Amino acid sequence: NAGVTQTPKFQVLKTGQSMTLQCAQDMNHEYMSWYRQDPGMGLRLIHYSVGAGITDQGEVPNGYNVSRSTTEDFPLRLLSAAPSQTSVYFCASSYSPGPRYGYTFGSGTRLTVV
Amino acid sequence: AQKITQTQPGMFVQEKEAVTLDCTYDTSDQSYGLFWYKQPSSGEMIFLIYQGSYDEQNATEGRYSLNFQKARKSANLVISASQLGDSAMYFCAMREGEDSNYQLIWGAGTKLIIKP
Repeated sequence: NAGVTQTPKFQVLKTGQSMTLQCAQDMNHEYMSWYRQDPGMGLRLIHYSVGAGITDQGEVPNGYNVSRSTTEDFPLRLLSAAPSQTSVYFCASSYSPGPRYGYTFGSGTRLTVV
Repeated sequence: AQKITQTQPGMFVQEKEAVTLDCTYDTSDQSYGLFWYKQPSSGEMIFLIYQGSYDEQNATEGRYSLNFQKARKSANLVISASQLGDSAMYFCAMREGEDSNYQLIWGAGTKLIIKP
């Protein structure tokens, strides 16, 4: 049972480059989300999806795009990387959006933009 | 106003002692869930314990228990008989049930260091 799989684990980008962070879950979870974690702060929501074909913005969506063509996959695209996007990114999934349901997290992607 | 407040940026505790990590929250929803996650130095986020707003009893999971005081809007994590492996960042988070975008709202975390 793989849970939530994130790739890559580490990435260095040059300013202006684009890339896609991959996220896949095998638990048939409807709700998926992307967070970023910066030093001294809790996680902040970038984008989320409540099901295939449905995505919405979170707290810090600028500079990122997402799509959800299948239940399993939820990639995060950085359109034109900026140093401010240096962070640790987590993908998480949940069986349901409801308040009783916690998240299963991927192992994270440490991104550095130079 | 912050919705989740963790007032202890860091704590040192002697091994085998109990430790309480503080968390207060702010919500006007009647239905919400409170979660604690552990993040060791390796970076992964590990779910520890959950408390629902309608749960009458405090949640327990092994050495972890949650001291839930609804009127005070606090949800403190208690770790009994601490171990060296408990050294990590601990995050309190809340998921509201109404008028939200279903996100988990996070506190800034508490860094716990267990001393041998």
